[in-house]
Amino acid sequence: GQQVMQIPQYQHVQEGEDFTTYCNSSTTLSNIQWYKQRPGGHPVFLIQLVKSGEVKKQKRLTFQFGEAKKNSSLHITATQTTDVGTYFCAGGPGGDKLIFGTGTRLQVFP
Amino acid sequence: NAGVTQTPKFQVLKTGQSMTLQCAQDMNHEYMSWYRQDPGMGLRLIHYSVGAGITDQGEVPNGYNVSRSTTEDFPLRLLSAAPSQTSVYFCASSLGPSSSYEQYFGPGTRLTVT
Repeated sequence: GQQVMQIPQYQHVQEGEDFTTYCNSSTTLSNIQWYKQRPGGHPVFLIQLVKSGEVKKQKRLTFQFGEAKKNSSLHITATQTTDVGTYFCAGGPGGDKLIFGTGTRLQVFP
Repeated sequence: NAGVTQTPKFQVLKTGQSMTLQCAQDMNHEYMSWYRQDPGMGLRLIHYSVGAGITDQGEVPNGYNVSRSTTEDFPLRLLSAAPSQTSVYFCASSLGPSSSYEQYFGPGTRLTVT
């Protein structure tokens, strides 16, 4: 079946450093969604990318969707302690099922 | 709006016991899903529903049953709990197909099976 992998699994950064997580699918995705889950919380939707090669920005966060629509990345510039959490990508071939990636846990040290 | 609510927040079961995890949403969403979250494995889809009376299996449906008699409610039943079902369970809803619409998650139920 379809698999969505994320790397790295964990990332520890000093506050102010940049952070990137990568998402790779075994099959072509119709679109990609990104979620953030704070420790002890539930996943919260961040953004959806639909077009091949699409780039979207939300303040310090930059999201990219690969040209082949099989990979995506999330880059955070100048991390803050409020960025702590686990970041998940999620996608599917289209339709009713959403397959989540394995997640990247970000820890930010002040 | 309360959004997506789940009860209970925590539950401990003995092996072989059955129970129902409750999920309700007040956003009039047609699509609802159940996920389980285990360390290092992300969220895995158990069952989902595209509307009242319609349910289907996800990636890991074995040991779980669902029904959808109303738009608002989507309970998840564990038939005979096993230690492998120890996990955090999240219910989610969306306005349209999961792969195209933002998922709204409930706060989760942390289940331990001994």
